[in-house]
Amino acid sequence: NAGVMQNPRHLVRRRGQEARLRCSPMKGHSHVYWYRQLPEEGLKFMVYLQKENIIDESGMPKERFSAEFPKEGPSILRIQQVVRGDSAAYFCASSPEIGGERSYNEQFFGPGTRLTVL
Amino acid sequence: DAKTTQPPSMDCAEGRAANLPCNHSTISGNEYVYWYRQIHSQGPQYIIHGLKNNETNEMASLIITEDRKSSTLILPHATLRDTAVYYCIVGYGQNFVFGPGTRLSVLP
Repeated sequence: NAGVMQNPRHLVRRRGQEARLRCSPMKGHSHVYWYRQLPEEGLKFMVYLQKENIIDESGMPKERFSAEFPKEGPSILRIQQVVRGDSAAYFCASSPEIGGERSYNEQFFGPGTRLTVL
Repeated sequence: DAKTTQPPSMDCAEGRAANLPCNHSTISGNEYVYWYRQIHSQGPQYIIHGLKNNETNEMASLIITEDRKSSTLILPHATLRDTAVYYCIVGYGQNFVFGPGTRLSVLP
């Protein structure tokens, strides 16, 4: 069972360009989470999605950032008009359906995409 | 802000048990305690979680106090590959709030 996959692993963009980060959850997982980690800091939650729905985007910057998890295909984190402050590692995590006897939820993380903005 | 408090760093001798403490005095009744670790700049790795009872798996043991206000992660025989930042998180498992964690250094 393959783990969470993210691509690209490294992405270099110039200021003003767009960055698209992709995340394929583990097989059977329908929940996706995006986190950002600045150098020497802990992970910060950005957004939580289920298929075709954004459940919680309380950690997303108000402008330039968007996320989607379509019915088919990977989840996409899109950053428009990147600035140097967007340089960070972006991690995706996935989890199975919550409910029934399963009231807890462990998230499984991908290897991350390291975005560098020149 | 994270709802947990952890020491910023700890050292442990190789082969000895590593005991990593975590305070979570404001934990709610149904919130779980999760432990993750991050080796270098890799993605966080799930270690263990618990609610009230102590838990053990192939990686570690989790001891939760009876009042649930603190817990301890135990790596029974630490190896050099266990050197990492260890994060203690409380919640229901959706938007995890990561604090700065504990940087564990396993020394030869």
